[in-house]
Amino acid sequence: ETGVTQTPRHLVMGMTNKKSLKCEQHLGHNAMYWYKQSAKKPLELMFVYSLEERVENNSVPSRFSPECPNSSHLFLHLHTLQPEDSALYLCASSQDWTGELFFGEGSRLTVL
Amino acid sequence: GQNIDQPTEMTATEGAIVQINCTYQTSGFNGLFWYQQHAGEAPTFLSYNVLDGLEEKGRFSSFLSRSKGYSYLLLKELQMKDSASYLCAVRRFTGGGNKLTFGTGTQLKVEL
Repeated sequence: ETGVTQTPRHLVMGMTNKKSLKCEQHLGHNAMYWYKQSAKKPLELMFVYSLEERVENNSVPSRFSPECPNSSHLFLHLHTLQPEDSALYLCASSQDWTGELFFGEGSRLTVL
Repeated sequence: GQNIDQPTEMTATEGAIVQINCTYQTSGFNGLFWYQQHAGEAPTFLSYNVLDGLEEKGRFSSFLSRSKGYSYLLLKELQMKDSASYLCAVRRFTGGGNKLTFGTGTQLKVEL
């Protein structure tokens, strides 16, 4: 199994839909992250969880709702998104929330 | 705040050497990372510098000058598979811990 797995890899949704992105890490790490990657823009940190507690929330709109039920799983719940939210959403984990990041393959989201 | 600059695109020849520069302005500097990202794939860790000087790892080397706010990634004996985006990321210490911020990435194209 790869270290960090994300599902789905591709998602197309309408602005009124509710969907969720899932991330699972098999590395025994205790910190997990959501990043947004848009074309021509830097990776943007959205949320950080350390030991299942949210330690960072980078002014992300409330239509994005993270959930971390345990140290191995991270979700990003999506609701009433906008077309400009279309991007690659990357999950990452690290041994602690200061260490080297291990990324998943990403979930390519398209909002119509 | 932070400012990270790196060239948008570079082109080099197979077998040659290429240097990708990254300049940054930040307070509380606590390390600089380089990641490689192939199209459609997850970023993968290449190198980490926290002290001044050169870190060598096979064909890849990374240099840091903290006083100049400057780093470079050196790729030797270029191969076609090195065509990818190279992301510079700066970690800084904030009141609540460490925070990692990415540059926009340098798209490297290796040609025959």
